[in-house]
Amino acid sequence: DTEVTQTPKHLVMGMTNKKSLKCEQHMGHRAMYWYKQKAKKPPELMFVYSYEKLSINESVPSRFSPECPNSSLLNLHLHALQPEDSALYLCASSPPLGGSGARQPQHFGDGTRLSIL
Amino acid sequence: AQSVAQPEDQVNVAEGNPLTVKCTYSVSGNPYLFWYVQYPNRGLQFLLKYITGDNLVKGSYGFEAEFNKSQTSFHLKKPSALVSDSALYFCAVRDRAEEVRFSGGYNKLIFGAGTRLAVHP
Repeated sequence: DTEVTQTPKHLVMGMTNKKSLKCEQHMGHRAMYWYKQKAKKPPELMFVYSYEKLSINESVPSRFSPECPNSSLLNLHLHALQPEDSALYLCASSPPLGGSGARQPQHFGDGTRLSIL
Repeated sequence: AQSVAQPEDQVNVAEGNPLTVKCTYSVSGNPYLFWYVQYPNRGLQFLLKYITGDNLVKGSYGFEAEFNKSQTSFHLKKPSALVSDSALYFCAVRDRAEEVRFSGGYNKLIFGAGTRLAVHP
């Protein structure tokens, strides 16, 4: 069982739909991440939240909108996606970089498999 | 710039034989190194890490990895492969220098391209 929970596991949506992905962790981690992963490729970093503030946006199109309501939750709002956005979306969390946190691995959820029709 | 290379797209090994999955890295300072495994329809699972100290690191499921600073390598090994070890393996690196620059809590990992391990009965 993973300690990072992502819902839904699968999502099929049309290009005009609006949907949201949800991620939850209860490990007390103060850094949370969204990654996009295509089949048999490494994860690509999209966003990083640190202490509930957006720290990094890796030039992600505005049709992806992240939100971090509190230290345990991370959302990714989707609107007007394109077929090339079909992928596995992974959430991860880790201790913050300060102190010993830099030495700790990121913990990943099992992802949401997104298909755009 | 940081980078990670996994030179083999796929490694094939017979069950019971030893396995090695190769990883080399490039960082400006000293590295933190990680191995992750991904089974089908799952997220990445942490296997082991090298931070400092003993060059031989032991991790989950009987895996170990050897850090070699002169060869800038961190190869993943297991003495006796199982069919259930078949999965996609990712090596990742973070430069310790990032600790100073990214004091706001950002912990960026650079991943290799991945190596598919196939263990045959």
